[in-house]
Amino acid sequence: KAGVTQTPRYLIKTRGQQVTLSCSPISGHRSVSWYQQTPGQGLQFLFEYFSETQRNKGNFPGRFSGRQFSNSRSEMNVSTLELGDSALYLCASSLEELAGVETQYFGPGTRLLVL
Amino acid sequence: AQSVTQPDIHITVSEGASLELRCNYSYGATPYLFWYVQSPGQGLQLLLKYFSGDTLVQGIKGFEAEFKRSQSSFNLRKPSVHWSDAAEYFCAVGLYGGSQGNLIFGKGTKLSVKP
Repeated sequence: KAGVTQTPRYLIKTRGQQVTLSCSPISGHRSVSWYQQTPGQGLQFLFEYFSETQRNKGNFPGRFSGRQFSNSRSEMNVSTLELGDSALYLCASSLEELAGVETQYFGPGTRLLVL
Repeated sequence: AQSVTQPDIHITVSEGASLELRCNYSYGATPYLFWYVQSPGQGLQLLLKYFSGDTLVQGIKGFEAEFKRSQSSFNLRKPSVHWSDAAEYFCAVGLYGGSQGNLIFGKGTKLSVKP
């Protein structure tokens, strides 16, 4: 089975722009979670989607949003980019909901640089 | 609040030497515990997980971890380190969702291997 794929792998944007990142989960997986990884804050949970519904959301501003499609693919969007949004954005998929007790499989990440 | 502590930010070991990476957690209920490894510029790969049962769990790449409830610890071990083990290692606790998300990660331990 193919693993979790994320596109694009690298992205450079300027402040004020918006960006959309894409994640394709492992075939058959229905839960997708997003994480932000920065040197200072480490790995922080953004949100989780299951069956096209957002199940949980982390403590991020409303500029961060996401969605999940019927084929379980997910996108996240960041509007009005700030310098502090520069990070590695990781997507993880798992078979079922309650992802914390399910094994999550991570993609390679999208590295976003905001100038 | 639930938390995961990895006391060692950076560890250097010689190739062939044994390794132990420490992880302590704070969680009120029975924890679901994971160790992930991240190579530079890559996503996270699951090494092993503990859900219940035998407190010594075996993982991939020759790693093992021992759950000790009395010490709230889940330390990762390997008897003989290889140069390819140089990476960053993350311990995580699985949750049932909420604003902290489904996985709470420690800050990571970076492992360097001396030839």
